[in-house]
Amino acid sequence: DAGVTQSPTHLIKTRGQQVTLRCSPKSGHDTVSWYQQALGQGPQFIFQYYEEEERQRGNFPDRFSGHQFPNYSSELNVNALLLGDSALYLCASRALTANPTDTQYFGPGTRLTVL
Amino acid sequence: GNSVTQMEGPVTLSEEAFLTINCTYTATGYPSLFWYVQYPGEGLQLLLKATKADDKGSNKGFEATYRKETTSFHLEKGSVQVSDSAVYFCALPNSGAGSYQLTFGKGTKLSVIP
Repeated sequence: DAGVTQSPTHLIKTRGQQVTLRCSPKSGHDTVSWYQQALGQGPQFIFQYYEEEERQRGNFPDRFSGHQFPNYSSELNVNALLLGDSALYLCASRALTANPTDTQYFGPGTRLTVL
Repeated sequence: GNSVTQMEGPVTLSEEAFLTINCTYTATGYPSLFWYVQYPGEGLQLLLKATKADDKGSNKGFEATYRKETTSFHLEKGSVQVSDSAVYFCALPNSGAGSYQLTFGKGTKLSVIP
């Protein structure tokens, strides 16, 4: 049973460019969340998708957007990249119908470097 | 909203030493509490959790007890190994958001030397 997978592993972009990161949730999971982890910091919640819609959002600007597909996979898009967007981007999945105390499962992350 | 304060690192211990990483929280109600671990170059893995007051979560020799009186969830291990070298994060759900939206501490980097 594959866990949460993310692609690409690493990415280098320049300021002002746009980037798309991809995530496939764990089998049986229908809810995907994205987190940004800056170097030396804990992850910060960006947003969560369920039924192809954004359901919750953290304190991130509109430059950060996402999408969820019918197969539950998800994309994170960041426009007009800034140096400060350099971070590890983590995807997490869970089943919406699971017990609220159940954990989320995290992928290995995509390391984005903005030059 | 809910928040967590975690002991700052880095922490360097010799193999077989006792480990404590402090975590205190501020929360509405009694949310589940989690410890996650991040090994070098990897994503987050759930280490243990506790879902109600006085619960003790345990895994791989690590333990943490949910203390509502002191609003704490300190991580302990009696004898650390080199393979325990990693960054440890305390986390809890944001208020009203179930466990979807987790708030994390800043992380504590542990280095265990032979």
